Parts: sequence; structure tokens; C-alpha cells
Amino acid sequence: SQTIHQWPATLVQPVGSPLSLECTVEGTSNPNLYWYRQAAGRGLQLLFYSVGIGQISSEVPQNLSASRPQDRQFILSSKKLLLSDSGFYLCAWSKGTIFDEQFFGPGTRLTVL
Amino acid sequence: GQQLNQSPQSMFIQEGEDVSMNCTSSSIFNTWLWYKQEPGEGPVLLIALYKAGELTSNGRLTAQFGITRKDSFLNISASIPSDVGIYFCAGPLRRSSNYKLTFGKGTLLTVNP
Repeated sequence: SQTIHQWPATLVQPVGSPLSLECTVEGTSNPNLYWYRQAAGRGLQLLFYSVGIGQISSEVPQNLSASRPQDRQFILSSKKLLLSDSGFYLCAWSKGTIFDEQFFGPGTRLTVL
Repeated sequence: GQQLNQSPQSMFIQEGEDVSMNCTSSSIFNTWLWYKQEPGEGPVLLIALYKAGELTSNGRLTAQFGITRKDSFLNISASIPSDVGIYFCAGPLRRSSNYKLTFGKGTLLTVNP
């Protein structure tokens, strides 16, 4: 069966510091991968998605970037965090098209102070 | 542009009551997905619907794909405290030149024991 991991689970960082969040998927190959941000426990905002190694699509202009160095690894980064980057970051994967069923990881709670 | 509307935004009910929530789209969908997110965790897929008129159950949960293909509802029967969470609908909406899985803003369910 497939599993998706995210780490760290929680992170507190000062403004201006760098960020690296990692997501890995097990039990499947060539998945579509996604990064979402959820603010205030409500709506899911799609940040990036990837259909293959090195292929990244950005959905909204922002202070963040994403990379996919391996088939089942997706990384969310920032060179300098802003207060507004605080939130709950969710990684997800899907097979088939990018609007098929998505399966989410446990999330990372990021607080920028 | 195409929109996905979910209602109600929140519900406060007593244990044992039935719950109904729904989503409507401005365009025809081929897929409706329903997710539940518990506090501090990632959303979990509850039910997937692929055919107009389809009625699918998962325990006390029942979801239907509307005949017009522009709506879906989720019912929870005999609610229990562990039903607490945010329920999201999702479907493929056209964004820019592509279809993307788009999530409703969620229905926050509170169950009083």
C-alpha cells in the first residue's frame, strides 16, 4: 500500500530564515505530487504540483519554491521566510491525471516569528 | 470564472442527529470527491463519485453525484463526537488552460455529546 510522509511535523522559524520541508511517497512510482498551504484551518491553496522529476508548476506567485530531485520526493523551500508564510503545509500525491483522487500527508505546521 | 461553492460553512449539532452538506459547481464535473480533515491532520478521502446519479455509502456516510453533474451532497447519519472535523468537497475545475482538482472552502462540523 502507498504511504506519504512529511517532516518535520512542526517548525518554528524566525523571519528571514531559510525553509526546507520534505515529502516522500512510498509504494507507488511516478506519482503526481502537490504542495498545499492551509491558513486558519480552512481552505486549501495549491502552491505547486509536479508530474515528474524536475518538473514543477507554480500556481501562485510567492516567496516559496519547490523541487523534485527524485521520483517520490518533493521539497518545499524558501530562502527567506516571511511572517505570512506561517500555515499548515500539506503534501499530496495522485496517480493518473492531476485532477484524480489525491492522498494527503500528515502536514507540517510552520510558525514564522 | 468557474466556481465551486460548499455549504454550510459550519454546523453545530447534537450527537445522534443527521447531517447534510452540499457542493455546487458552475460547470459540469466528471468527478466529485469528499474528504474529512481532523484537527492537525491531513485530509482523508471518504468517498469518490464518478457517475451522475451515483449514490455511494461508506458506513454512516452517504454521498451522491447530482444528476445535473453540477452538485453533490454528503450525509452523515446518527452523528457521533468523532465526526468532528472539516469536510471538503473537491472536483476538477478549469484553471487557466488546465483542469485542476479544486477544493471547496469546507464545512466545519461540531458535534456536542
